[in-house]
Amino acid sequence: KAGVTQTPRYLIKTRGQQVTLSCSPISGHRSVSWYQQTPGQGLQFLFEYFSETQRNKGNFPGRFSGRQFSNSRSEMNVSTLELGDSALYLCASSHSGLTGFFGPGTRLTVL
Amino acid sequence: AQSVTQLDSHVSVSEGTPVLLRCNYSSSYSPSLFWYVQHPNKGLQLLLKYTSAATLVKGINGFEAEFKKSETSFHLTKPSAHMSDAAEYFCVVSNTGGFKTIFGAGTRLFVKA
Repeated sequence: KAGVTQTPRYLIKTRGQQVTLSCSPISGHRSVSWYQQTPGQGLQFLFEYFSETQRNKGNFPGRFSGRQFSNSRSEMNVSTLELGDSALYLCASSHSGLTGFFGPGTRLTVL
Repeated sequence: AQSVTQLDSHVSVSEGTPVLLRCNYSSSYSPSLFWYVQHPNKGLQLLLKYTSAATLVKGINGFEAEFKKSETSFHLTKPSAHMSDAAEYFCVVSNTGGFKTIFGAGTRLFVKA
């Protein structure tokens, strides 16, 4: 069974740009959660999608958004990038929404 | 409200000696608890999870954790450390009611030869 895949693995952007990250969950998993990991703040929950609906959202500004498609693949978008958005973005998939299996992450650097 | 506290930011052990990584939690609901490991420049790997079944949970690579409701703890242990165990470990609390997931700040495990 293939694991969680995230693309791209590395990304460099400049301030003010926007970025879209993609996550393909494990086959059969309907829940996808997104997290931001930084040295200063640790791992923080962004949002969780289940069957194309956002079920829960963390404390991030509206510049962070996401969606989930009918095949359970999920994307997250960050608009008007700031230097502080530089982080490792992780997604996790599961059957039920409990924290499950993580992908390798996308390393975003904002210059 | 939920929270999770990992009591040690760093733990150093010698190879072959026991490992104890401490985690306390609070939760308004019956929690689900997890331990994850993250090796340098790698993603997170699930070690084990507690979801209201047996209180002693066995995971991969010889790790286990015991859910103690009276102490609100979920400490991670391993009888004998290997060099390959050197990594960062995260305790996680989640609840099925609100689907909120909170990660602890992490404990970095060093293993000396």
